[in-house]
Amino acid sequence: EIVMTQSPLSLAVTPGEPASISCRSSQSLLQSNGHKYLHWYLQRPGQSPQLLFYLSSNRASGVPDRFSASGSGTHFTLQISRVEAEDVGLYYCMQTLQTPLTFGGGTKVEIK
Amino acid sequence: QVQLVESGGGVVQPGRSLRLSCAASGFTFSSSGLHWVRQAPGKGLEWVAVISYDGSKKYYADSVKGRFTISRDNSKNTVYLQMNSLRTEDTALYYCARDRGRWLQYLDYWGQGTLVTVSS
Repeated sequence: EIVMTQSPLSLAVTPGEPASISCRSSQSLLQSNGHKYLHWYLQRPGQSPQLLFYLSSNRASGVPDRFSASGSGTHFTLQISRVEAEDVGLYYCMQTLQTPLTFGGGTKVEIK
Repeated sequence: QVQLVESGGGVVQPGRSLRLSCAASGFTFSSSGLHWVRQAPGKGLEWVAVISYDGSKKYYADSVKGRFTISRDNSKNTVYLQMNSLRTEDTALYYCARDRGRWLQYLDYWGQGTLVTVSS
């Protein structure tokens, strides 16, 4: 099983300031087709998860460009350039390279 | 627009069974893999099961293998999760999610979830 480790567990950010979330996988998520099967989700309070980025760095439709994502085979990063109030919630990374599919433990983002 | 609507949740005693349904619309159902993901109260997301676009491939989390069965009816645009021998630790909000591809791409749309409570 591929273990996904997120850090930090939580962070409190002043509006307008940047934020960064790390996700590490226990093995490379790079497939032979050149894609990295790592995806990011945001779960706002009381809502279902929504896709933010797929295949490591592809922004999903409707996601503001203050969000960016990047990564190597085992270390991935989600960045918010200027946090806004609507960005609060739980952020999860997820791998779909192999079953069982696994999620990171989540990072809670709050506003200071 | 893509819609996934789960149903079938409820309160059930340990050892009993429950079947969840997820009705889909707004896309070509028979071209997409489908997943069940659950979230225990106050906990993170846990992937449960996946079924390929044609139902030929299915995989399960170890925690539910042998007890849960995923299936689909492409004529009804519906995916199911048959849950047998339920345990208290199966208590969770169960989400249905669409796979962007036929098999193991990424989950792009999620339903609102249906709550399963296993309690005596």
